[in-house]
Amino acid sequence: KAGVTQTPRYLIKTRGQQVTLSCSPISGHRSVSWYQQTPGQGLQFLFEYFSETQRNKGNFPGRFSGRQFSNSRSEMNVSTLELGDSALYLCASRVAGGYEQYFGPGTRLTVT
Amino acid sequence: AQTVTQSQPEMSVQEAETVTLSCTYDTSESDYYLFWYKQPPSRQMILVIRQEAYKQQNATENRFSVNFQKAAKSFSLKISDSQLGDAAMYFCAYRSTTSGSRLTFGEGTQLTVNP
Repeated sequence: KAGVTQTPRYLIKTRGQQVTLSCSPISGHRSVSWYQQTPGQGLQFLFEYFSETQRNKGNFPGRFSGRQFSNSRSEMNVSTLELGDSALYLCASRVAGGYEQYFGPGTRLTVT
Repeated sequence: AQTVTQSQPEMSVQEAETVTLSCTYDTSESDYYLFWYKQPPSRQMILVIRQEAYKQQNATENRFSVNFQKAAKSFSLKISDSQLGDAAMYFCAYRSTTSGSRLTFGEGTQLTVNP
């Protein structure tokens, strides 16, 4: 079974632009969560989608948004990029009722 | 809100020896899950081991085992017979049974394995 995939793997954007990251979960997994990893703040939960509905949201500004499609693929959007948004963005999927989350390889976003 | 603390930013161990990584957490809940994840230089997060709070028996996965002390809110990871491939950043994580998939992570412990 294929693992969680994230595209693109690397991205360089300019301050003020917007960016969209994509995550394809493991087949059969309907829950997709997003995390931001930075050296200063560590790993922080952004949001979770389950069956196309946002189920949980972390403490991030409204510039961070997401959505999930009927095939469980998820996208995360960051508008008006700031230098502090430079981070590794990780996506994880989980089967309904399952204990474990499986992570993708991440998207490294650099904002200049 | 739950918090997870890893007080050892860095640890090192000789190949074939045993090392223990510490983790404490704070919660008012009685039922929850605890995890240890490994993040090698590739940045891919890999689940090492999990523990359900309602289970008294400590989880074991091959060379990896945990010491779960619920009353003390402690969840340490023991790696036996350390191998070079164990070198990575290790994260302790907490998940409530009522907050979906949301994981709260500790700061991480960078483990070095010396040959």
